[in-house]
Amino acid sequence: QQQVKQSPQSLIVQKGGIPIINCAYENTAFDYFPWYQQFPGKGPALLIAIRPDVSEKKEGRFTISFNKSAKQFSLHIMDSQPGDSATYFCAALRDYKLSFGAGTTVTVRA
Amino acid sequence: DAGVIQSPRHEVTEMGQEVTLRCKPISGHNSLFWYRQTMMRGLELLIYFNNNVPIDDSGMPEDRFSAKMPNASFSTLKIQPSEPRDSAVYFCASSLRVDQPQHFGDGTRLSIL
Repeated sequence: QQQVKQSPQSLIVQKGGIPIINCAYENTAFDYFPWYQQFPGKGPALLIAIRPDVSEKKEGRFTISFNKSAKQFSLHIMDSQPGDSATYFCAALRDYKLSFGAGTTVTVRA
Repeated sequence: DAGVIQSPRHEVTEMGQEVTLRCKPISGHNSLFWYRQTMMRGLELLIYFNNNVPIDDSGMPEDRFSAKMPNASFSTLKIQPSEPRDSAVYFCASSLRVDQPQHFGDGTRLSIL
C-alpha cells in the first residue's frame, strides 16, 4: 500500500499564484522528507527537504510546512512561474528506503 | 560536477531479448539505487547497493531481473528474457551516504514490443 499519500493529482494556477501540494504519512519512523521536481524526459531532481524536528523550511520561492503531530507536510511555491510547470513528488525516508507520493502535475499559466 | 549518468536513454527491443541498463553514480557516493517508474505504480525501488554490495533486492519483480555493481563507478540492471510488461522508465540514483539525499539520473525509457 502507498505509504505516502499526495494530493491533488494535478492543479493549474496563474503566474504569480501559489500552488500548494499536500502529503500525509502514517509511519512515524520516517525521518527525512524530501520533495522532488520532475520535468518530462528527466529524472526527479531534489528540490527541498525537511527533517521532522523543523516546522518550516524555505529555499528561494519554495517552502515546506511540516506538522509532525498531524503527520502531514506540504509544499508551497511562491510567486509561481511558467518554468515551475512540472510534476512534484513528496517522499519520506526510513533507513535507505524512499517512499514516494503519487505525484502532482502543476501547470502555471502565463 | 557530473550527475548520475545512465545509458542508453531509450531502448526499444522485442520480447524475449536481453536488456542491459547502465549507470555511473556520482563520484564518491557509496549508495546506489535502481528504481522503476510507471503510470500505474509510480516510483518503485528495485534494489539498493551500499559500497558495491547489494543490501536489499526485495523490489526486484522476478528472477528475470538482476543487478550488479562490480565497482564504485558502475552498475548494471539486466532483464532476461524481457517482457512487454517490463516497459517503463528505469532510474538510477546515488547518495553520498544512505541517509543523505538521493540524486537521480535522467533514466532509461524501455519499450518491450
